[in-house]
Amino acid sequence: GAVVSQHPSRVICKSGTSVKIECRSLDFQATTMFWYRQFPKQSLMLMATSNEGSKATYEQGVEKDKFLINHASLTLSTLTVTSAHPEDSSFYICSASAADTQYFGPGTRLTVL
Amino acid sequence: KQEVTQIPAALSVPEGENLVLNCSFTDSAIYNLQWFRQDPGKGLTSLLLIQSSQREQTSGRLNASLDKSSGRSTLYIAASQPGDSATYLCAVGTGGGADGLTFGKGTHLIIQP
Repeated sequence: GAVVSQHPSRVICKSGTSVKIECRSLDFQATTMFWYRQFPKQSLMLMATSNEGSKATYEQGVEKDKFLINHASLTLSTLTVTSAHPEDSSFYICSASAADTQYFGPGTRLTVL
Repeated sequence: KQEVTQIPAALSVPEGENLVLNCSFTDSAIYNLQWFRQDPGKGLTSLLLIQSSQREQTSGRLNASLDKSSGRSTLYIAASQPGDSATYLCAVGTGGGADGLTFGKGTHLIIQP
């Protein structure tokens, strides 16, 4: 149980385009989901907290207009990187919260050319 | 602001040795602490979760301890195997399922056959 999926697992896009990443809790409902970013050889950094039916809460230094988060249902949160640039290339991982435990998705590798 | 430090940053040992990975955190008001494993280019695998009221957790060859008052946790790996080679991440949670986790930078472990 407690499986979280992400789609796509890998995406390559041109600079200036937008990319949407989906995070789904497959066998449980998650009121709260989280989005993290991991640069090469760095640890995971929390970007934002996504709550179903309300606006996301962004960490300091994360541009909310660039990283759009939608949590329209209890099993799905999406992260849209708008007008992506090469510096946005990173590994994006989501997690979903259930019973005070976070379950992580497999991650999405974004490469912006 | 919570900060998590992991020592050493990298470790290389011969197969069969027992080893200890260290994690320290600056704010002792934690809800739980979790150890993860991350293989290159992959997502996270949860190894052990210790609630703030617990002192240790065990799973197979892994044992994690928590000393909340001193802000320390250790991950003990017994009889190491080449398959244990990975990056090990320590993360602390402060608000149950409502807050994101704060991660350390990890310990890159190599077990030599």
